[in-house]
Amino acid sequence: GAGVSQSPRYKVAKRGQDVALRCDPISGHVSLFWYQQALGQGPEFLTYFQNEAQLDKSGLPSDRFFAERPEGSVSTLKIQRTQQEDSAVYLCASSRTGLAGGRFNEQFFGPGTRLTVL
Amino acid sequence: KQEVTQIPAALSVPEGENLVLNCSFTDSAIYNLQWFRQDPGKGLTSLLLIQSSQREQTSGRLNASLDKSSGRSTLYIAASQPGDSATYLCAVPYGNKLVFGAGTILRVKS
Repeated sequence: GAGVSQSPRYKVAKRGQDVALRCDPISGHVSLFWYQQALGQGPEFLTYFQNEAQLDKSGLPSDRFFAERPEGSVSTLKIQRTQQEDSAVYLCASSRTGLAGGRFNEQFFGPGTRLTVL
Repeated sequence: KQEVTQIPAALSVPEGENLVLNCSFTDSAIYNLQWFRQDPGKGLTSLLLIQSSQREQTSGRLNASLDKSSGRSTLYIAASQPGDSATYLCAVPYGNKLVFGAGTILRVKS
């Protein structure tokens, strides 16, 4: 079946602009995650949804970052007043279930959105 | 706090060689460990997920081992091919997230 998809694949923004990044998880997957990957680094956790509930947003770097998943499927990551340090690849992942007895199911990743802030 | 380290940071080998990538983690109370492959400009492809109760997991030319007590995992690639060139990342669950290493950049020369 279809995997995780993200759009746009590439986004160039001028400093100060707002951007919105979209993630379509695998159909029926309960959990959805956003990660930020700087050049030459591993992905860093931003936020986690179980269905429509945002259960963990501890990784969001500032209040300029906002994520939502209103119907428990598609998610949007919004960055307001973009800064140059926001330039990175933003990865979305989904997994079949939520946390169950502390065991995490395999996470499946989308292709990412490469954001460049000029 | 969980920290994941990968060694080496980069590796260049001739085609056909067997190779080992290393991953270490500081908190041994993990449920599983996942190895990913990332091609330039692309997302992450899951290669192997090894549960904490397992010591090994195999897929084709790939073999991952896990030693929880010592906080280590290795990814063994047999008979490497130029198509194996990519960045290899390991990750462990910690709370509501995966914690990743910085990756090993592998180049297999033909």
